[in-house]
Order: sequence, then structure tokens, then C-alpha cells
Amino acid sequence: KQEVTQIPAALSVPEGENLVLNCSFTDSAIYNLQWFRQDPGKGLTSLLLIQSSQREQTSGRLNASLDKSSGRSTLYIAASQPGDSATYLCAVPGSSNTGKLIFGQGTTLQVKP
Amino acid sequence: SAVISQKPSRDICQRGTSLTIQCQVDSQVTMMFWYRQQPGQSLTLIATANQGSEATYESGFVIDKFPISRPNLTFSTLTVSNMSPEDSSIYLCSARLAGGQWDTQYFGPGTRLTVL
Repeated sequence: KQEVTQIPAALSVPEGENLVLNCSFTDSAIYNLQWFRQDPGKGLTSLLLIQSSQREQTSGRLNASLDKSSGRSTLYIAASQPGDSATYLCAVPGSSNTGKLIFGQGTTLQVKP
Repeated sequence: SAVISQKPSRDICQRGTSLTIQCQVDSQVTMMFWYRQQPGQSLTLIATANQGSEATYESGFVIDKFPISRPNLTFSTLTVSNMSPEDSSIYLCSARLAGGQWDTQYFGPGTRLTVL
């Protein structure tokens, strides 16, 4: 059974810092991994989708890496800003191509001005 | 990409009543899903909404409690029946544009439900 874990659960940093969020999964037979952002009381915004054949994906100040063999992904945020404050969730597909996503518990990030 | 809207955005309901949540996608999609996010928790899939047939429910979720409709490729509803305070959650609609492994999954803004 696939399980997704994210550490740390919460993170508080001063503005301008570079930071790394971690995601691990127990079953390495995934065909993609997706990172989402969730603002308080809101829905999810897709940030990055990494395909199983890729090692990393970049969008602006965000860089996500994927190491299937070790069951890990990281989300790197460069030069953090107060507007980056949110909960970041990683998700992987469930078994077979059902479309089901299995989510981690999320990392709640606070960037202080 | 896809833009997903949900109605209502939030509601406060009395125990024992039912609420129907609507989900509208701005383009035709092959797969639609309903997730629940309980307070302080991550997302859990309730069911996959199948067009023209009964939804496929995950373990722990049943049709009598969470009836789902999907009359076409862009619209779905989720009903939370006979509500109790334990049903207080954010309910999110999600969609994939196609069945390929490369496709991003999009989410609606969620419906925040409080049951008194």
C-alpha cells in the first residue's frame, strides 16, 4: 500500500532564504509525482508535475526533483517571499491507472517579512 | 489546463440534513473525482465520478452517504447525506483532462462544510 510522508510538518523562515521541502513514498513504482500548493481554506493549485522518466522540473523559483529508486522527491524554493506562505502537498498516483492520488500530510510554510 | 468551479463555496448545515455540492469544469474531461479534507488532515479520495454510470467508491465511503452524479463530461455533484458534525470538512472536486500518465490533476476551490 502506497504511503506518502512529508517532512517537516511545518517550517518558518525569514524572507529571502532558500528552502527544501521533502516528500517520500513507499512504493517506487510511480509514473509521476505532483506538487501542490494550498492556501488556508482554499483548494489546491498544481505547481509541478514530474514524470517518472524525469529527474527534475522547474517553474520560476521552484525546482522539484524526483529519485524513484530511493522513493524521494524534494521541492526547492529559492529566495522565499511572504507570498510563498502556504501548505505544500505532494501526491503520487495510486495503484493502476485509476487517476487516484495519494497525498502526503503537507508542509505548512511561513515566510516572515 | 482546466478551470474548476464549485458551488457552494461554504455552508453551515444542521445535523441530519443533506447538502449537494456542484462541480463544473470549463472543458471536457475524462476523469472527475471527489476528495475530502478533514480539519488539519490531508486529502482522501471519496470516489471517482463516472459519466453515465455509478461512481466508484473508495474503502470507507458508501453511495448511501455520498451519492454522486455525473451526467456529462463537464459536471458532477456530490451529496453529503444525513450529515453529522464528523462530516465537517472541505470537499474538493478534481479532474484530469485525459487518461495519459502525463496529465496534471486539477482541483476546484473546495466547499467548506460545517455541520452543527
